[in-house]
Amino acid sequence: RKEVEQDPGPFNVPEGATVAFNCTYSNSASQSFFWYRQDCRKEPKLLMSVYSSGNEDGRFTAQLNRASQYISLLIRDSKLSDSATYLCVVEGTDSNYQLIWGAGTKLIIKP
Amino acid sequence: SQTIHQWPATLVQPVGSPLSLECTVEGTSNPNLYWYRQAAGRGLQLLFYSVGIGQISSEVPQNLSASRPQDRQFILSSKKLLLSDSGFYLCAWSPGEKLFFGSGTQLSVL
Repeated sequence: RKEVEQDPGPFNVPEGATVAFNCTYSNSASQSFFWYRQDCRKEPKLLMSVYSSGNEDGRFTAQLNRASQYISLLIRDSKLSDSATYLCVVEGTDSNYQLIWGAGTKLIIKP
Repeated sequence: SQTIHQWPATLVQPVGSPLSLECTVEGTSNPNLYWYRQAAGRGLQLLFYSVGIGQISSEVPQNLSASRPQDRQFILSSKKLLLSDSGFYLCAWSPGEKLFFGSGTQLSVL
């Protein structure tokens, strides 16, 4: 089982729709979780951290389910500009500086 | 505010040639610095990290090396590139848990 697993997609979604991605992780001891956004051939940029109580930032909501070991990202009222690859990141526990990156889920918003 | 600069943006190199990618950070002191590689369809792989001048930790054995000659400068090098070294290389800095990336270097080894 991969340490961090994401559906690669692509998710083709009409503009204005709601879309959700999940990301599963294998290490139950992980404490920190993040979603990054990456545009084609660009660097990843932090979208939001994922807290135990959930986290909402505008149209974006991130949640953590420790029992089932997954995190989710929900995007409401999707915009064309939301088209990107969304990377799930989980704190590793082997070293103090290790983050484990998913391969990403590609989202395409269609007009 | 802090900024991170990475260059060049693209690089095409023949097999066996040397490599030097440079990364600098402005607006902060003693940052944690990182080099990552991203292969197509795969997650980012941590290559090296540094917590201070001259302090380099390697996460995976490979054909590459890193150096930190100054507090805000991080260099990725190779003496002889392999075909398998092709990829998207990203420098990053961190004030804590979150990472902030440079714009990346797309390296093609032919």
